Amino acid sequence: GDSVTQMEGPVTLSEEAFLTINCTYTATGYPSLFWYVQYPGEGLQLLLKATKADDKGSNKGFEATYRKETTSFHLEKGSVQVSDSAVYFCALSGGVFTGGGNKLTFGTGTQLKVEL
Amino acid sequence: DTGVSQDPRHKITKRGQNVTFRCDPISEHNRLYWYRQTLGQGPEFLTYFQNEAQLEKSRLLSDRFSAERPKGSFSTLEIQRTEQGDSAMYLCASSPGQGTGETQYFGPGTRLLVL
Repeated sequence: GDSVTQMEGPVTLSEEAFLTINCTYTATGYPSLFWYVQYPGEGLQLLLKATKADDKGSNKGFEATYRKETTSFHLEKGSVQVSDSAVYFCALSGGVFTGGGNKLTFGTGTQLKVEL
Repeated sequence: DTGVSQDPRHKITKRGQNVTFRCDPISEHNRLYWYRQTLGQGPEFLTYFQNEAQLEKSRLLSDRFSAERPKGSFSTLEIQRTEQGDSAMYLCASSPGQGTGETQYFGPGTRLLVL
């Protein structure tokens, strides 16, 4: 079945450092890929998404590119802030051949802590 | 647009008791999903509805679990004869239901603790 693998955390960075959180996936068909973020004490919210190969999703300075050849969707940000401290989840939903009404399959999450 | 709401936010119960959770999706969203999240893990899919029809159930959803969406609006998730292993955060999400790759909007969750 479908699966998502994320780099394990926690990741601790200094403010203004470069961030990469690796995400790879296994899926049949043509999945859509997502990054969701969970800030402390808040619910899951969409950070960015990409629905086809080579698409780049971006939001709030974060970017991720859908790489079908490497089955990856790595999250990057050039300069992190303390306010980016959160748990980040990579996820996929099935494409044309998997049906299932777009249920999401999540990775285990990566906790990011940004320090001054 | 008031977002997805869930009630209650927290529930403590004793093993063997039944519990029911409610989810109110974003109005006019046709699809509604239930997920379960345990500590340190990502959410796991339980079931989903397209309007009032329950179209898919995960193998995680044992026969002690039942979900309904009677009029295609709010949904309830009931757990009968709760077990300590049912302790988790139960998340509800909704989406418009217009195709693939849709964004799902999550509620704040109901945290269940079974003693």
